Amino acid sequence: DIQMTQSPSSLSASVGDRVTITCQASQYISNYLNWYQQKAGKAPKLLIYEASNLETGVPSRFSGSGSGTDFTFTISSLQPEDTATYYCQQYDNLPPTFGGGTKVEIK
Amino acid sequence: QMLLQESGPGLVKPSETLSLTCIFSGGSFSSYYWSWIRQPPGKGLEWIGYIYYSGSSSYNPSLKSRVTISVDTSKNQFSLKLNSVTAADTAVYYCARGYCSNGLCATFDYWGQGTLVTVSS
Repeated sequence: DIQMTQSPSSLSASVGDRVTITCQASQYISNYLNWYQQKAGKAPKLLIYEASNLETGVPSRFSGSGSGTDFTFTISSLQPEDTATYYCQQYDNLPPTFGGGTKVEIK
Repeated sequence: QMLLQESGPGLVKPSETLSLTCIFSGGSFSSYYWSWIRQPPGKGLEWIGYIYYSGSSSYNPSLKSRVTISVDTSKNQFSLKLNSVTAADTAVYYCARGYCSNGLCATFDYWGQGTLVTVSS
């Protein structure tokens, strides 16, 4: 299985801050990477697909970049409603695997 | 509006079989792969397996010996059976729609709300 390593595991930032999360794959996955947001008690929601494409309806303050083994997810201006856990997920090979998650809180 | 809804027992005894069903509404059931994904309390996400409307399926090797996913296209539903459960199988179980890219149908754009299944005697 491809291992996905996210960092940090948690962070606390102020409203308006720029927040960056990284995800590293244990092997080359091209751009076959998605990002999800999961709010407490809810199902995950797809935000970014193919590493950098914004899902329809997702605010433009969310973005993704990267290719190969190293990926970045950014919230350009953190909002209170962005409190959630964020997961990366690869789909280069079966089984699809998820990172361990990054919990984002408002300071 | 596309909706997925899981249903099934919330409590299963150790060594027995966990059975869940997911019903999809609001869109086309064909042309997509239908997945089960689980999340133990306080932990991360694990893909269990998926099935195409034609019946072809694929499972996570870590669970393959215990998992069966089936589909009923007449009802727009698919089901999960996980046998010989232990406490380690306690989790929120999600069903999700996956669309295909790179030959894998594992970009999950619609999810059910999830159902907690506890394995306990």
